[in-house]
Amino acid sequence: EAEVAQSPRYKITEKSQAVAFWCDPISGHATLYWYRQILGQGPELLVQFQDESVVDDSQLPKDRFSAERLKGVDSTLKIQPAELGDSAMYLCASSLGLQGFRETQYFGPGTRLLVL
Amino acid sequence: GNSVTQMEGPVTLSEEAFLTINCTYTATGYPSLFWYVQYPGEGLQLLLKATKADDKGSNKGFEATYRKETTSFHLEKGSVQVSDSAVYFCALRRGSNFGNEKLTFGTGTRLTIIP
Repeated sequence: EAEVAQSPRYKITEKSQAVAFWCDPISGHATLYWYRQILGQGPELLVQFQDESVVDDSQLPKDRFSAERLKGVDSTLKIQPAELGDSAMYLCASSLGLQGFRETQYFGPGTRLLVL
Repeated sequence: GNSVTQMEGPVTLSEEAFLTINCTYTATGYPSLFWYVQYPGEGLQLLLKATKADDKGSNKGFEATYRKETTSFHLEKGSVQVSDSAVYFCALRRGSNFGNEKLTFGTGTRLTIIP
């Protein structure tokens, strides 16, 4: 069964450093999502791509976070500089992008970030 | 705005007990409703979903019925197993094929099953 791949699985960094996370969605999925999940809470959407275009980045802290999906396939989420409050699980998800609100989003295993 | 309210955990049950995790929602239009499960250290997996009123989603012995009159989507299982121990998230996505399709999650309910 096809899966969403993410790397690294774990990342420890010091505050003010730069970090990057990578996501490879399920082949053929046009829509890609990045979520942040703070411990004890549900995931919150950071950014949504349709192919290579950003559809929603209203919750992305743009002063320090950036995301790209240059060829409409894999994607990178970057934080620069990292702050203590960025410690969380970063989840990538993908979906076909054809069935709107009814379709299922498939999640990767996540990258757990700890900022010291 | 859209929101999902789940019963607070943690919930601890004995094996073979009956499970109910309550979920209510607030949304405009006609959202789709989802239950996701997260095992320790892993990402989220779709457990079941319902896309219109009175639909029943089911999977692995779990069931949930989309009740528009009570704006609820409660998760039930007749006999839980130790392997069901996980965090369960209720979520909705607003009903628009052309607008924002953001998933809105509840805060999650941690379930522990003891043998």
